Formats: sequence, structure tokens, C-alpha cells
Amino acid sequence: NAGVTQTPKFRILKIGQSMTLQCAQDMNHNYMYWYRQDPGMGLKLIYYSVGAGITDKGEVPNGYNVSRSTTEDFPLRLELAAPSQTSVYFCASSYSTGSPGNTIYFGEGSWLTVV
Amino acid sequence: RKEVEQDPGPFNVPEGATVAFNCTYSNSASQSFFWYRQDCRKEPKLLMSVYSSGNEDGRFTAQLNRASQYISLLIRDSKLSDSATYLCVVTNYGQNFVFGPGTRLSVLP
Repeated sequence: NAGVTQTPKFRILKIGQSMTLQCAQDMNHNYMYWYRQDPGMGLKLIYYSVGAGITDKGEVPNGYNVSRSTTEDFPLRLELAAPSQTSVYFCASSYSTGSPGNTIYFGEGSWLTVV
Repeated sequence: RKEVEQDPGPFNVPEGATVAFNCTYSNSASQSFFWYRQDCRKEPKLLMSVYSSGNEDGRFTAQLNRASQYISLLIRDSKLSDSATYLCVVTNYGQNFVFGPGTRLSVLP
């Protein structure tokens, strides 16, 4: 019952460093998403993918990159980390959208601090 | 106007109370509606889908009013364990899930 798995769970980065947050799902979902959530705030969509080889920007894509080479994996790359990227990052997946049966499932989150 | 709006709260209620949350959405073409629950420092988890005729799951009742474009969640006989942030979620075919900012509930002993 793995669902959506994210690694690492916690990470501290220095300003200017780069890193990749890993995300994998085993539910054969077509759609995958990356969100960030700042303390006390709502979820903001960074990037999403509707299938292998297809990615698109969400509302806050600057400073991030993604790739989707397989259905299962959707890594998020942070280039030149900045303090403003300190946040909790959630990966999520869904089979599709638009019907009550197609719900979105989240990973447990990755806590990132940039110092 | 934001796509999905919720009263941020917090709602502070005693155990056993009944509490209701409302959510409004701006896209009249929206097809699917959900309530998610998010505990502190945890990921959001599905509480219940919201169906056109309304639906109930134990102490939780969800209603949808398409004409007025709002969704409601009623919690009866509140428990301490109900303390969380409740997220209203709206989507449509081919469109991403849109999350409201959440309503925080604290159930007090």
C-alpha cells in the first residue's frame, strides 16, 4: 500500500545549492503534481503532468524544473536554492480529473529549509 | 475573485457541538467536489466526495448547491480528533484540482 512516496522527508540546503525531490506512485495514475505549502497557507501548484513525457507549469513554477520519463516517477528539481523556497513540498497523483471517483492522493511531504 | 473560497476560521467549538463549513467556487462548469482534511504537518487526505444529492458518512454530511455555487460540510457531535484544517476541492474534466485555502477547526475539551 505504498501510494505516493516522496524522498527525502527533511533536507537543509545552503543558498545556491541544487537538489532533486523524488516522487513515485504505484497506482498507475496518469496525472502527477507538485505543490508547495508555506506555513499557515494553502497549497500552491508548482508543476503538473498528465502523462509520461508531458509536463506543464502551475501557478508558481519559477526556480523549479520537472521531468516525467515514466508513469511512476515525477522528480522536482530545485536549481540555485533561495530562502523563499523554504517550504513543505507535496507530491500528488490522480488517475484523471472531473469525476467523483477520481480523487487526488498525496505523499507525506518533504520539508525543505534553505539557509 | 478566487476560484475557491472558504472562511479561514478558526472555528473553536466544544466537544459534542455541531459545526458547519461553507465553500464557494467561481467556475460554474465545475463537475467534481471534495472535502479533504489536513492535520498539522501532515498531507491532505480525502474526507469525502460531494455528490449532487448530498451525502452522509457517519457524523459528516456534505451538500452541494450548484445554483449558488457552494458546498457545505456539517460535522455533528464533534470529537477532539476532528481538530484539523478542512479543504474544499473543486475540479472539472481536463482541469486541475483547485484547493480552497482551508478552514481550521479546533474542538475543545
